[in-house]
Amino acid sequence: DAMVIQNPRYQVTQFGKPVTLSCSQTLNHNVMYWYQQKSSQAPKLLFHYYDKDFNNEADTPDNFQSRRPNTSFCFLDIRSPGLGDAAMYLCATSRGLAGAQITQYFGPGTRLTVL
Amino acid sequence: AQSVTQPDIHITVSEGASLELRCNYSYGATPYLFWYVQSPGQGLQLLLKYFSGDTLVQGIKGFEAEFKRSQSSFNLRKPSVHWSDAAEYFCAVGSNFGNEKLTFGTGTRLTIIP
Repeated sequence: DAMVIQNPRYQVTQFGKPVTLSCSQTLNHNVMYWYQQKSSQAPKLLFHYYDKDFNNEADTPDNFQSRRPNTSFCFLDIRSPGLGDAAMYLCATSRGLAGAQITQYFGPGTRLTVL
Repeated sequence: AQSVTQPDIHITVSEGASLELRCNYSYGATPYLFWYVQSPGQGLQLLLKYFSGDTLVQGIKGFEAEFKRSQSSFNLRKPSVHWSDAAEYFCAVGSNFGNEKLTFGTGTRLTIIP
């Protein structure tokens, strides 16, 4: 089945220690998104890639970076995690950014704990 | 700018009873509307979507939603809930203008009681 995969499902890191979260997709979609979701809140978009074009949301902290080496993979790098970065991180994909192509499909998420 | 309001933070329903979750949107043109469900510790699963055409949309797991332009609403319904429907439900709105992302509501948490 075509899907969005996130690894690891659970990640524990120390305050200030860089961490990388991984997302892969078999849908061959052009767009990949990273969301941060804190408890009982809506997902908050951090950034997205349309192919290799990176689009950062205006309020995404510089501490968060992303890489997309190819169509299938996208990484979220948190350079110096703080306690406030503990959250669920969701990866999503869509075929495009117009019309019906904007439908997003989500992975299972990575729960990040910062000690 | 588009926005979504889910007025109910938490709803409790008895198993077997009917369900309606409310969603109101604000958007200047015809919106694209979505309902997602999130079980604890999981990602979001697409339940159904509306782009155009028939205003009553059928989705997975026995859910349906009705687009009412006059009320700016896209309420989610299910005639008989099951214990496995307990989850968080998110309504989202997008547009057809290109380079748009989805705007999510704050979610409604559904509890099912025996």
